[in-house]
Amino acid sequence: EIVLTQSPGTLSLSPGERATLSCRASQSVSSSYLAWYQQKPGQAPRLLIYGAFSRATGTPDRFSGSGSGTDFTLTISRLEPEDFAVYYCQQYGSLWTFGQGTKVEFK
Amino acid sequence: QVHLVQSGAEVKKPGASVKVSCKTSGYSFTGYDMHWVRQAPGQGLEWMGWIKPNSGDTNFAQKFQGRVTMTRDTSISTAYMELTSLRSDDTAMYYCARVAVLRGRSFDYWGQGTQVTVSS
Repeated sequence: EIVLTQSPGTLSLSPGERATLSCRASQSVSSSYLAWYQQKPGQAPRLLIYGAFSRATGTPDRFSGSGSGTDFTLTISRLEPEDFAVYYCQQYGSLWTFGQGTKVEFK
Repeated sequence: QVHLVQSGAEVKKPGASVKVSCKTSGYSFTGYDMHWVRQAPGQGLEWMGWIKPNSGDTNFAQKFQGRVTMTRDTSISTAYMELTSLRSDDTAMYYCARVAVLRGRSFDYWGQGTQVTVSS
């Protein structure tokens, strides 16, 4: 099973700042099968990024994904108030796994 | 419009079973695999397994092998997840999610979640 480790656990930032979230895999992941989700309290997760860097429908262009192999990054260029949430990375190898999440909170 | 609508909250005693439904609309039910994901209170997302609606084939995370069953009724475009021998640590929100083959097998649509509480 591929284990995904996200860092940091919590990111304390202010609106307008840049957020950089990391996702590290225990073994190489195909970039085609790395996704990022956003989850707000009381809501189901929402797909943001798939294939490591492709934005899902409705994802604002301030969100960008990058990386390959075992290291992937989600960047939010300028935080908007609605971006404060928990973010999960996910991979598909032979099975699916999620990272433990990074919470982006108001500083 | 794609919709995944799950059944309502459940309260079960330890040792009991629970069956959660996920009724779909707005797309071809048999054309997309359906996955189940759970989230314990204050915790992250945990993948449980999937079912191929066209064949009924399933595959589960090792942790749930022997305790989980996933089925479907194609006549009503509905997927089901049944978990047996419930324990207190099965208390969680359970989600169904559709896999998007053309989007790197990510989960593009999710149900609203079903809260399952296991308590004596």
